[in-house]
Amino acid sequence: AQSVTQPDIHITVSEGASLELRCNYSYGATPYLFWYVQSPGQGLQLLLKYFSGDTLVQGIKGFEAEFKRSQSSFNLRKPSVHWSDAAEYFCAVGTYSGNTPLVFGKGTRLSVIA
Amino acid sequence: GAVVSQHPSRVICKSGTSVKIECRSLDFQATTMFWYRQFPKQSLMLMATSNEGSKATYEQGVEKDKFLINHASLTLSTLTVTSAHPEDSSFYICSARDGADQPQHFGDGTRLSIL
Repeated sequence: AQSVTQPDIHITVSEGASLELRCNYSYGATPYLFWYVQSPGQGLQLLLKYFSGDTLVQGIKGFEAEFKRSQSSFNLRKPSVHWSDAAEYFCAVGTYSGNTPLVFGKGTRLSVIA
Repeated sequence: GAVVSQHPSRVICKSGTSVKIECRSLDFQATTMFWYRQFPKQSLMLMATSNEGSKATYEQGVEKDKFLINHASLTLSTLTVTSAHPEDSSFYICSARDGADQPQHFGDGTRLSIL
């Protein structure tokens, strides 16, 4: 069965510092991987996705993620965090089929301090 | 890019009322839409998969008579919370994919508060 683990429930970083949010997945085939961000009271916004090809993918808002098959990981990174990045971040894994919903991790809450 | 519109964004109503939430794909057709429920500070819990022209597929533990789903067209799915009670208060989010190799796009969610 597919599963996604986000080991960190809550992370606090200083504004301007670098960020890495961890994501590990369990999946029987080549996964489709996603990172979403959710601000309080809002829906989810897609940050980036990996389907195939280059294992380092660039997303919106200066985020990037690297797919490492050997480690079953898809960690999200940003070199310099802004206060507006404070939000909940969800990693998700899916299949090619449009009828199958994504499987989400439990999320990591990011707090940014001055 | 693909846009999913959800309405209303917030509902406050009395216990016993039925509430309908709409989910529309604005610039693409979605044969499948997904309904999630999210409790405070928790992840999304899939409630059901909505299939255009057929019955929805409910996840284990979700009462299909309580949460009625209708997917009458390729751009609209509705979730009706029947005879809502305070324990139904939650954040409900819909989602759709605009192709087999595309990500899920989410609506902005509906905050349901039952008094």
